[in-house]
Amino acid sequence: DARVTQTPRDKVTEMGQEVTMRCQPILGHNTVFWYRQTMMQGLELLAYFRNRAPLDDSGMPKDRFSAEMPDATLATLKIQPSEPRDSAVYFCASGSSTSGRETQYFGPGTRLLVL
Amino acid sequence: QKEVEQNSGPLSVPEGAIASLNCTYSDRVSQSFFWYRQYSGKSPELIMSIYSNGDKEDGRFTAQLNKASQYVSLLIRDSQPSDSATYLCAVNTGANNLFFGTGTRLTVIP
Repeated sequence: DARVTQTPRDKVTEMGQEVTMRCQPILGHNTVFWYRQTMMQGLELLAYFRNRAPLDDSGMPKDRFSAEMPDATLATLKIQPSEPRDSAVYFCASGSSTSGRETQYFGPGTRLLVL
Repeated sequence: QKEVEQNSGPLSVPEGAIASLNCTYSDRVSQSFFWYRQYSGKSPELIMSIYSNGDKEDGRFTAQLNKASQYVSLLIRDSQPSDSATYLCAVNTGANNLFFGTGTRLTVIP
């Protein structure tokens, strides 16, 4: 049963600390997405990659967030320095792009609390 | 105007009834439409996809798409308490990027 995995599942940190979240997409999927979900904003797209190349990171605060895909089995999202307003659930999703009929499969999420 | 709009609810239906969830979208070139179910504290789970006008049925779920009206809906027949969740509508405009609505919270009352 192929699944997207994410680590850590929960993270509590203090303001100003660096946070790194990791995602392993489903084997064979060529697109990876990072979302942030809060009660107020719902699901917000932060960044997405196709074939490891970043295609869109316009939803991401550039001054503190960075997303990378060092290889096909690992995507990372970093926040440095973290702020209390970054507290949210961060989801990674992967998919396979085929003529606009792409579907996305979500990982379990990383619940981040910045104190 | 948001790309995808949903009534946030909550929508309450009695067990065994039909739950009707609605979604409108703004981009006329949208090609693919999805419904995700999200239980509290869990990640979104894909339950239906639809690409052509009309109805698509899968078990107790029916997705309906009307591209002229830019409208997509999800019907859940014989609603069960286990269907209580937030339902997210998502639309793909062809750029391999999904736009999500804010979700409709459904409660099925036993």
